[in-house]
Amino acid sequence: GAVVSQHPSWVICKSGTSVKIECRSLDFQATTMFWYRQFPKQSLMLMATSNEGSKATYEQGVEKDKFLINHASLTLSTLTVTSAHPEDSSFYICSASDGAAYEQYFGPGTRLTVT
Amino acid sequence: ILNVEQSPQSLHVQEGDSTNFTCSFPSSNFYALHWYRWETAKSPEALFVMTLNGDEKKKGRISATLNTKEGYSYLYIKGSQPEDSATYLCAFIDSWGKLQFGAGTQVVVTP
Repeated sequence: GAVVSQHPSWVICKSGTSVKIECRSLDFQATTMFWYRQFPKQSLMLMATSNEGSKATYEQGVEKDKFLINHASLTLSTLTVTSAHPEDSSFYICSASDGAAYEQYFGPGTRLTVT
Repeated sequence: ILNVEQSPQSLHVQEGDSTNFTCSFPSSNFYALHWYRWETAKSPEALFVMTLNGDEKKKGRISATLNTKEGYSYLYIKGSQPEDSATYLCAFIDSWGKLQFGAGTQVVVTP
């Protein structure tokens, strides 16, 4: 149980375009979803926390207009990187929680490369 | 930003040997510490949730201890096998629910 999928697993896009990444909880209802970013050899950095039906809470330094997060249902959250630039190239990973004691279930991640 | 550090960054272990590595975190405002195992191209998998000072948890050949007063947790792998090769992440959660991951310890077990 507690499976989270993420799509796509990798994507290459041109500078200036937007990219949408989907995160789905397949066998449970995710009241909260989290989006992380990881640079090489660094830790997972929390970007934002989203609760179903409400606006996401962004961490300090994360541009909410650039990284649009939607959590429209209890099984789906999306992260859209708008007007992507090469510096947005990174590994993005989501996790989902059913509200139990901060336990999070992770997706496999998305490698974004902006050319 | 909470200061969560893992050491070493990477280690190579001979099959059959035992090993351990550390996660250090702030000793104040502790709520919980999570350990995850992350294999390449897979999702991080939760290993342990540790909440009490002195906690010891075990899952097969992997175990973990927790010292909240001094701010560290050890993860032990006994009799390492090639399938133990992965990056092991710790995540510290403070009493406000703020979560911070360490950068991970990459373990490579060679036959």
